Amino acid sequence: GQQVMQIPQYQHVQEGEDFTTYCNSSTTLSNIQWYKQRPGGHPVFLIQLVKSGEVKKQKRLTFQFGEAKKNSSLHITATQTTDVGTYFCAGSGNQFYFGTGTSLTVIP
Amino acid sequence: GAGVSQSPSNKVTEKGKDVELRCDPISGHTALYWYRQSLGQGLEFLIYFQGNSAPDKSGLPSDRFSAERTGGSVSTLTIQRTQQEDSAVYLCASSLSRQWATNEKLFFGSGTQLSVL
Repeated sequence: GQQVMQIPQYQHVQEGEDFTTYCNSSTTLSNIQWYKQRPGGHPVFLIQLVKSGEVKKQKRLTFQFGEAKKNSSLHITATQTTDVGTYFCAGSGNQFYFGTGTSLTVIP
Repeated sequence: GAGVSQSPSNKVTEKGKDVELRCDPISGHTALYWYRQSLGQGLEFLIYFQGNSAPDKSGLPSDRFSAERTGGSVSTLTIQRTQQEDSAVYLCASSLSRQWATNEKLFFGSGTQLSVL
């Protein structure tokens, strides 16, 4: 079956450092979405990428969709304590296949 | 409603008992999903409803798990003869439709924390 893996599983960074999480699918994706889950909260939609090679930015967050539409990345520039949480990618197929998630800890 | 509503927010039960978890999706959303999230883990797909179509039950871990969606709106996830390994947060999500080409993002409820003693 379809699998979506994310690396790293955990990441601790000093406030102000950059952070990147990578999402890899075993199959080609129609599109990919990213969600953020704050500690104790539920996942909240961040963005969707549809086109091969697409790049989108939201303030300090940069999202990329690979040329082969099998991988994606989320990069956060100059992390802040408000960035703490788990970031999930989700690829579309018969249903949403969520990645394993990357838990980000930001040390003040 | 304004958002996806789930009840109860917490449920403590004894091993072997049956539990029912409820999800009330956003009004007008035809697609409804159930996911399970164990502590510190990712989202495990359980079941998916789309309109009047037969649900996609491919993620249900055993025949102790079942779900229904009445009138295309409220959904109930039932776990029979609960086991300790069923302890997790059960998340419900809805979206307008299953049109992957459009920006059909999922809206999640706050989840039900199930603890099986």
